[in-house]
Amino acid sequence: QQQVKQSPQSLIVQKGGIPIINCAYENTAFDYFPWYQQFPGKGPALLIAIRPDVSEKKEGRFTISFNKSAKQFSLHIMDSQPGDSATYFCAATNTGNQFYFGTGTSLTVIP
Amino acid sequence: NAGVMQNPRHLVRRRGQEARLRCSPMKGHSHVYWYRQLPEEGLKFMVYLQKENIIDESGMPKERFSAEFPKEGPSILRIQQVVRGDSAAYFCASSPNGPGSPGANVLTFGAGSRLTVL
Repeated sequence: QQQVKQSPQSLIVQKGGIPIINCAYENTAFDYFPWYQQFPGKGPALLIAIRPDVSEKKEGRFTISFNKSAKQFSLHIMDSQPGDSATYFCAATNTGNQFYFGTGTSLTVIP
Repeated sequence: NAGVMQNPRHLVRRRGQEARLRCSPMKGHSHVYWYRQLPEEGLKFMVYLQKENIIDESGMPKERFSAEFPKEGPSILRIQQVVRGDSAAYFCASSPNGPGSPGANVLTFGAGSRLTVL
């Protein structure tokens, strides 16, 4: 059973576009929702994270939108750059107990 | 701070051999997690360990897989009698604190060990 569902599987945007990656969860006990960025041959690296008591968090060009009632959250990348091309994983956890990861979104930003 | 160190980075084994993957957590981190990543899939939790203790192994296959985190030295994920289906990237992550504690949510991943079973 996939605890966190992520879409789309892949995404191609032009430089400067705003890719949006969506995730949905079922377990209302989850209280921390991080996004990880993974480049080929590397391990995932924490990008940005949000707690359910806020609806939006922004760090640089990366923004998480969180909809608690819909149990959905999404990652927006403003002014995307070719260097943002990577695989992005959403995740959810309950106070650091087992982390559940989405299946990943492969993002390609075309120059 | 060298981060989470995993070795080997690449490992090739024939069916029936044993694979040993090592993970040294970040300095000051005493909580280690192992994840498996199959092509086109997300990260699947395998096991969570503290020094000398297995805390949660609910994601570990019942047979052939084992993990340890001794008092001294790295954490080791051991796969006995490997089969082709074990081919995957195995990632180790560490955190400074356990579940429910400040910092428990901060997972730092290593670069992974890529196992290929011929």
